Amino acid sequence: SQQGEEDPQALSIQEGENATMNCSYKTSINNLQWYRQNSGRGLVHLILIRSNEREKHSGRLRVTLDTSKKSSSLLITASRAADTASYFCATEEKSSGDKLTFGTGTRLAVRP
Amino acid sequence: DVKVTQSSRYLVKRTGEKVFLECVQDMDHENMFWYRQDPGLGLRLIYFSYDVKMKEKGDIPEGYSVSREKKERFSLILESASTNQTSMYLCASSFPGGLSDTQYFGPGTRLTVL
Repeated sequence: SQQGEEDPQALSIQEGENATMNCSYKTSINNLQWYRQNSGRGLVHLILIRSNEREKHSGRLRVTLDTSKKSSSLLITASRAADTASYFCATEEKSSGDKLTFGTGTRLAVRP
Repeated sequence: DVKVTQSSRYLVKRTGEKVFLECVQDMDHENMFWYRQDPGLGLRLIYFSYDVKMKEKGDIPEGYSVSREKKERFSLILESASTNQTSMYLCASSFPGGLSDTQYFGPGTRLTVL
């Protein structure tokens, strides 16, 4: 299956700054999701954006989706040290049923 | 809240051993998934199940099998463990499409095969 690519692979910022991470994918999708993983733990769902949506907000999170470019971005505003984690995008492809295809992730470090 | 539990956080086994990884969810989800996670490779789907006694191969099923005898339980079996199966194993569950597209993950099992 085709996997999403995330950019950058790693990101280090100061507390209070914004963090932006990008995801590109290769096929037509039903939706794109972002998950967070704290070190050595399972993934936690953050936000889902459907293929007919362009932007979505949830608290300090803002997700955009450009289906013409097959790309998405996740913006975390006013970052906190507790936001330190790995972030993964996952796509539900149109032909895949309920399966998700995950990207390789962005490691975010927020310095206090 | 949805709870997905996995039988062990850490597991050390020897080459050739038969290994069972158990996953239990308490939200009556039809779908269950097994992934492995390796540095630089992200999550890769091993097997998934849409219903009891039903299983389908994911992207990397070689060397693995699964069992789903009850709706809440999905087991991953390594018939003869090998060192290249050293990895983090993650279980997830979800409702079928149209109800919710979110997957809920367990805490993971870090398996080391010596």
